[in-house]
Amino acid sequence: GQNIDQPTEMTATEGAIVQINCTYQTSGFNGLFWYQQHAGEAPTFLSYNVLDGLEEKGRFSSFLSRSKGYSYLLLKELQMKDSASYLCAVRDIKAAGNKLTFGGGTRVLVKP
Amino acid sequence: DTGVSQDPRHKITKRGQNVTFRCDPISEHNRLYWYRQTLGQGPEFLTYFQNEAQLEKSRLLSDRFSAERPKGSFSTLEIQRTEQGDSAMYLCASSLEADGLGQKLFFGSGTQLSVL
Repeated sequence: GQNIDQPTEMTATEGAIVQINCTYQTSGFNGLFWYQQHAGEAPTFLSYNVLDGLEEKGRFSSFLSRSKGYSYLLLKELQMKDSASYLCAVRDIKAAGNKLTFGGGTRVLVKP
Repeated sequence: DTGVSQDPRHKITKRGQNVTFRCDPISEHNRLYWYRQTLGQGPEFLTYFQNEAQLEKSRLLSDRFSAERPKGSFSTLEIQRTEQGDSAMYLCASSLEADGLGQKLFFGSGTQLSVL
C-alpha cells in the first residue's frame, strides 16, 4: 500500500509564505500531484512532479525528492482566497488506470 | 461548461433506502474514477473504469455498492440499503489516457450524501 502524510492544518498571514510538506511511501513511484480544494468544491489540479527538483507556477511551487519520499508545496504572497485544503496525491506505477492515492489534506487558513 | 458534472449535488435519504448518483465525465476522457471523501479527509479510491470496463474495485466498496458505465460515457454509482456510515461526499473524476500532464485527474464537484 501507500502511506501519505501531511500536516492536518496550518495558519499563515496574508502576504506571507507557507510550505506544506508531504511524505510518502510507495513501491513504484510514478508521479506526485498537488490539488487545491475549497470547502464544498471539487479538487483542482495545482502541480505535478515526477523528477526531482522544483516546479514553479506563479505564486505556487512544488518540490520533489524521490530518494527521500518527500515533496512540498510552497505558496507565496498568500491571499485570502488561498484558504483551502491542499491535497498531496501519489501515483504508483502498478496502480490500475493510473489512479491517485491521496493524503488526508492540509487545511490552510490565511488570516488578514 | 465541459468539465466533469455530477448529479445531484446533495442527497438526503433514510437508512435502508437505495440511492443512485450520476457522473458525466469530460467527453473525450476514457477513464473514469469514483472516490469517497469524508470531512477533513482526503479522497479515497472506490473504483475505476476504462471505457465501459470496470477494471478495479477497492475493498472499501462493499457489495451494497455498484457502479456502471454502460456506453463508456456517463457513469452511475448505486448504494443499496444505505447505512449512516455511507454519509460522505462522492467524487467522480476523469482523465485521458496518454495525456501529457501525467494523466492528471479532473474532478467533479461531488454528490454530498447524508443518511439519516
